[in-house]
Amino acid sequence: NAGVMQNPRHLVRRRGQEARLRCSPMKGHSHVYWYRQLPEEGLKFMVYLQKENIIDESGMPKERFSAEFPKEGPSILRIQQVVRGDSAAYFCASSRTNEQFFGPGTRLTVL
Amino acid sequence: QQQVKQSPQSLIVQKGGISIINCAYENTAFDYFPWYQQFPGKGPALLIAIRPDVSEKKEGRFTISFNKSAKQFSLHIMDSQPGDSATYFCAATSADTDKLIFGTGTRLQVFP
Repeated sequence: NAGVMQNPRHLVRRRGQEARLRCSPMKGHSHVYWYRQLPEEGLKFMVYLQKENIIDESGMPKERFSAEFPKEGPSILRIQQVVRGDSAAYFCASSRTNEQFFGPGTRLTVL
Repeated sequence: QQQVKQSPQSLIVQKGGISIINCAYENTAFDYFPWYQQFPGKGPALLIAIRPDVSEKKEGRFTISFNKSAKQFSLHIMDSQPGDSATYFCAATSADTDKLIFGTGTRLQVFP
């Protein structure tokens, strides 16, 4: 019973490039959440999605960030024109009820 | 009102001792309070969780104490072990939002 899967685990981008982060939820889970963790800080909510729907994007920056969870395939968090301040660990979580289970994260470094 | 305040920021405990981490919240709509354990380079792992209809929940060496009137909850780790050395996060959420609001984390070090 595989857990939440995220790839890539590490991603290096130069300023101005696009970063694409993928998340496959646990089997049977239809809710996906994205969180961002800056070094030495707690996790901050970004977006909550169900299949083909964005339920809550109140934590997403207004520009350059987008997320989707298509009918088929993983959830994608896309960051366009990355800047150094985007360097962080990005975690995906999935749930069926209240319990959210986290993936191993993608560590994004912007040079 | 959405904040969850966590203390202490760091904690050093001797092996076999009790580790206590505290959290406080403001939003009375919160109705689910999980604790997560995170090792360096890993994702947070759900440790134990509580709802406000009970004042205490115990799972093995881990206990959550919940004080609804004070809007506070705490994690107690009994017989702390070096393998418990990690960062612990409290969190809170409500049924109408589903998003987790995390505390700032407590870095626990257990020395032999």
